[in-house]
Amino acid sequence: KQEVTQIPAALSVPEGENLVLNCSFTDSAIYNLQWFRQDPGKGLTSLLLIQSSQREQTSGRLNASLDKSSGRSTLYIAASQPGDSATYLCAVSSPDSNYQLIWGAGTKLIIKP
Amino acid sequence: ETGVTQSPTHLIKTRGQQVTLRCSSQSGHNTVSWYQQALGQGPQFIFQYYREEENGRGNFPPRFSGLQFPNYSSELNVNALELDDSALYLCASSPRRNLQSLEQYFGPGTRLTVT
Repeated sequence: KQEVTQIPAALSVPEGENLVLNCSFTDSAIYNLQWFRQDPGKGLTSLLLIQSSQREQTSGRLNASLDKSSGRSTLYIAASQPGDSATYLCAVSSPDSNYQLIWGAGTKLIIKP
Repeated sequence: ETGVTQSPTHLIKTRGQQVTLRCSSQSGHNTVSWYQQALGQGPQFIFQYYREEENGRGNFPPRFSGLQFPNYSSELNVNALELDDSALYLCASSPRRNLQSLEQYFGPGTRLTVT
């Protein structure tokens, strides 16, 4: 059964720093992996999608990598800003879950001005 | 283009009661998924509707049921509420039958508290 873990549960860094959020999953037979951002009262927003055949995806200051063999993904945020403060969740879709998303519990990120 | 909307924003119910939550999908989207997110946890998939028919279900008991209407809006009904049903309920719409969980656009959620 697929399980997704995100460490740390919370992270606080000064503005301007580069940072890495981690996501691990137990079954490497995934279809895709997605990173989402959750803001209070605003639902979830998809940030990056990595298909199983891809190694990384980039969008602006965000870069997500995928290593299926080790069951890990990282979300790299460059030059962090206070507006990046949110909870970041990763989710995987796999045959094991009938392609529905299995989610991590998220990392709550606080960027200090 | 209007995004996904949900109503109500917040709701307080008593154990044993029934509740109906509503979701209006984004224009042009024919698939709606519902998720339950307990505090401090990631969302858990409840079920998905495609063109008014259930198109997949997660590990939730039958007292969780749903409907999708011809305009692709949707309802989530929960009977015999339990304290553990307290959570944020999210709906997400997609432009096509979503076997790969791609292109989901989420609403802001309904916060349900069961006392």
